[in-house]
Amino acid sequence: DIQMTQSPSSLSASVGDRVTITCRASQSISNYLNWYQQKPGKAPKVLIYAASTLQSGVPSRFSGSGSGTDFTLTISSLQPEDFATYYCQQSYSTLIYTFGQGTKLEIK
Amino acid sequence: EVQLLESGGGLVQPGGSLRLSCATSGFIFSTYAMSWVRQAPGKGLEWVSGIGATGGTTYYADSVKGRFTISRDNSKNTLYLQMNSLRAEDTAVYYCAKVSSTMAASWGQGTLVTVSS
Repeated sequence: DIQMTQSPSSLSASVGDRVTITCRASQSISNYLNWYQQKPGKAPKVLIYAASTLQSGVPSRFSGSGSGTDFTLTISSLQPEDFATYYCQQSYSTLIYTFGQGTKLEIK
Repeated sequence: EVQLLESGGGLVQPGGSLRLSCATSGFIFSTYAMSWVRQAPGKGLEWVSGIGATGGTTYYADSVKGRFTISRDNSKNTLYLQMNSLRAEDTAVYYCAKVSSTMAASWGQGTLVTVSS
C-alpha cells in the first residue's frame, strides 16, 4: 500500500505569512495528489487536485506543486479563514486513496 | 446542486453490525465511483472503501477488509456500507464521497458510529 507522510504535523503562523506544507509518497504516484482543507466539525473540501490544479472557487493564494514522490502545498498570504487542518491524498491506487496524517495550521 | 446525506449511524456493541446509507441527488449517480471515508474522534481522515460506477468493482482498506461491504443501488441513487464484527477502533464519523477526476469532489455531512459496550 502507498503511504503518505506530511510535514509538519502542526504549524503556527500569522496572518499574511507564507506557509508551505510538504507531503511525501512511499512510491512514485506521478501527479495523482490532492490537497484538502478541513475545519472543525465540517467535511473536508478539495483545494487542489492533480498536484497543481486549483479546484473551482478556491482562492489563488493556494498553490500546489510536485510530481513523483514529493509535493508541496503553499499558501502565499495567510488569511484568518485559512486556519484549519490540511490533508494530502494520493489517488494513484484505484479507489484506495490514502491520506496523509494531516497538518494543523494554527494562529501564532 | 450535489447533495450527499448519510444515515444509519449510532451506538453499537463490539461485535455488532450496522448499515450506513448515503442518499444522493444533483448528479447522475450511476456514472460516478463512490467511496466511504472515516474520521475517528480527534484523528485524521482514513479512506475506508471505494466502489466503481456500476458496482462491479470494490476496494477496501486493510483495516476493514473482510468485515465491511460497500454496495450501491443505482436505481435509488444510494450508496451503502454494511459493517460487521465492529470494534472499538471503528468508532468514527463516516463520510460518503463522490469520486470525480480521482478526487473526493463532494462529501456528505457525516454520520457518527460509536462502538462501545
